[in-house]
Amino acid sequence: NAGVTQTPKFQVLKTGQSMTLQCAQDMNHEYMSWYRQDPGMGLRLIHYSVGAGITDQGEVPNGYNVSRSTTEDFPLRLLSAAPSQTSVYFCASSYLRTETPYEQYFGPGTRLTVT
Amino acid sequence: AQKVTQAQTEISVVEKEDVTLDCVYETRDTTYYLFWYKQPPSGELVFLIRRNSFDEQNEISGRYSWNFQKSTSSFNFTITASQVVDSAVYFCALSGPNAGGTSYGKLTFGQGTILTVHP
Repeated sequence: NAGVTQTPKFQVLKTGQSMTLQCAQDMNHEYMSWYRQDPGMGLRLIHYSVGAGITDQGEVPNGYNVSRSTTEDFPLRLLSAAPSQTSVYFCASSYLRTETPYEQYFGPGTRLTVT
Repeated sequence: AQKVTQAQTEISVVEKEDVTLDCVYETRDTTYYLFWYKQPPSGELVFLIRRNSFDEQNEISGRYSWNFQKSTSSFNFTITASQVVDSAVYFCALSGPNAGGTSYGKLTFGQGTILTVHP
């Protein structure tokens, strides 16, 4: 199993550009999510999905879009990049089978710089 | 609203010292779950432990141990006889139950504690 994969590993964007961060998992996990990690702030939830066709907003959703057309993939789209979106982005997935939350498996991260 | 506070931003120890990482949480849920994750220099987050609010037993796994105290809303993590490979950022996180609505799997993370173990 590859686990959770993310591409690209690094990206530099100019203000106003758009791009898509890719995330895929091969563990048949129902739950997938995107976090951003900023110094001194831990990880904050951007968007999440509980299954194909179902997405919802997290704590910091503005400026980001997601869709989930398959169980495996959960891309994150930056619509018009801003310097405030400079961050490290993590995708995570987990089973969603009972009331007890399972541990989340994280991808290696994408380091994004917006100039 | 949920909140997790890791008051120690950075800790530096010498190998073989014991070190405790503090975690204090706030939640209005009666059922909740606490996690610790490790982020080594490679960058990926690695799951260490999950504890539910009904289980206040302390847990030990090798050199790692966790002390859950509901009365003080704390879930502290101790590494005994630290090693250089323990150098990482450690995150404490909190989740409500998967009860539908907006609470599915939403982890609230603390700010993280950077642990450096010197040889």
